Amino acid sequence: SQQGEEDPQALSIQEGENATMNCSYKTSINNLQWYRQNSGRGLVHLILIRSNEREKHSGRLRVTLDTSKKSSSLLITASRAADTASYFCWLGDSSYKLIFGSGTRLLVRP
Amino acid sequence: SQTIHQWPATLVQPVGSPLSLECTVEGTSNPNLYWYRQAAGRGLQLLFYSVGIGQISSEVPQNLSASRPQDRQFILSSKKLLLSDSGFYLCAWSVGRTDANEKLFFGSGTQLSVL
Repeated sequence: SQQGEEDPQALSIQEGENATMNCSYKTSINNLQWYRQNSGRGLVHLILIRSNEREKHSGRLRVTLDTSKKSSSLLITASRAADTASYFCWLGDSSYKLIFGSGTRLLVRP
Repeated sequence: SQTIHQWPATLVQPVGSPLSLECTVEGTSNPNLYWYRQAAGRGLQLLFYSVGIGQISSEVPQNLSASRPQDRQFILSSKKLLLSDSGFYLCAWSVGRTDANEKLFFGSGTQLSVL
């Protein structure tokens, strides 16, 4: 199994701006998923992108996947204060071991 | 629909006391089950995962153990808690193999403080 490495570790933006965070990995994957965690809560699934997909949208979320660079990005457009949370990527491979990185802590200032 | 229950939400325990956290899943059968721990402001550390009754895999040597006495019940235990066991514990489940594009569903977590 492997874990993704999110970048940056922390991000502070003004409400209305776009937020971009990245996830890099080392070996092949079947899919990549992004999760959000509000402080003191469990993680919530945001979006899944398969290894044969390059881009996926869900509301204000846009996820890209570049398998040649082994990286993914999560873009949150027109950010809101409610988007303040930690964001984690998770890599789907052939293992049952589900390992998360340290995440990106996003702060959206009103 | 499927739901996951994790309790208690918060727990304060003295050093050396035992621990039992319980997690149950409803609305599905033969789920994969996971216990994670998260230190304050940090990422998630996988502690245990289970692909079936009585099948437990441990990821890190520690003061904790896990059991799966029933298909949809996952228990995290300790005989004697250490200060370092403090943290936020999360239970999660998924359906089938993770490479089959199945997502994780998380419980609401237990904040454990060992004093």
